[in-house]
Amino acid sequence: AQSVTQLGSHVSVSEGALVLLRCNYSSSVPPYLFWYVQYPNQGLQLLLKYTSAATLVKGINGFEAEFKKSETSFHLTKPSAHMSDAAEYFCAVSDRNNDMRFGAGTRLTVKP
Amino acid sequence: ETGVTQTPRHLVMGMTNKKSLKCEQHLGHNAMYWYKQSAKKPLELMFVYNFKEQTENNSVPSRFSPECPNSSHLFLHLHTLQPEDSALYLCASSQDPGVAGELFFGEGSRLTVL
Repeated sequence: AQSVTQLGSHVSVSEGALVLLRCNYSSSVPPYLFWYVQYPNQGLQLLLKYTSAATLVKGINGFEAEFKKSETSFHLTKPSAHMSDAAEYFCAVSDRNNDMRFGAGTRLTVKP
Repeated sequence: ETGVTQTPRHLVMGMTNKKSLKCEQHLGHNAMYWYKQSAKKPLELMFVYNFKEQTENNSVPSRFSPECPNSSHLFLHLHTLQPEDSALYLCASSQDPGVAGELFFGEGSRLTVL
């Protein structure tokens, strides 16, 4: 069965600084990978997804992620953090049967 | 209305109560899901319905009883819950079962069991 590990339950950056949220996956088949964001008192919404096309995936709000098979990683980055990026971010992996497994989440804090 | 709607948004119940959570999706999707979100734990998949048929029950206690009367509606019936069942319950839908695609989530129902 597939799984994901998110390194760091909390990440704090200054406004304007680089955001890097780490995700490593385990899957016995070529995976589909996702990043979701959850703002307070809301459900999860999709930031971006990798489905075996380009390895560098661009998402909403200036986020992007790179699929690295050799490292089994799918880290999320944004060049310049904004206060509105403060939220919880979830990495997820899915097989072709739509069995999606989520990581424990990383809470991003953005300092002014 | 658009997207996935969950009601109620907040629910407080005693251990002997019976209540239900409701989810409705207006996206024309064929698969619906219940997830449990507890603090400091990964989202736990509870139930999956594809074309109204339950295809997964992730070892969920029988005090949680799902119902899917049609592709647009999903319920989670609750009875004799425990305090550790307090969590955010998220409903989601996806377009095609068996094809890895995006999940669309509702805003969740925050459940507190006293």
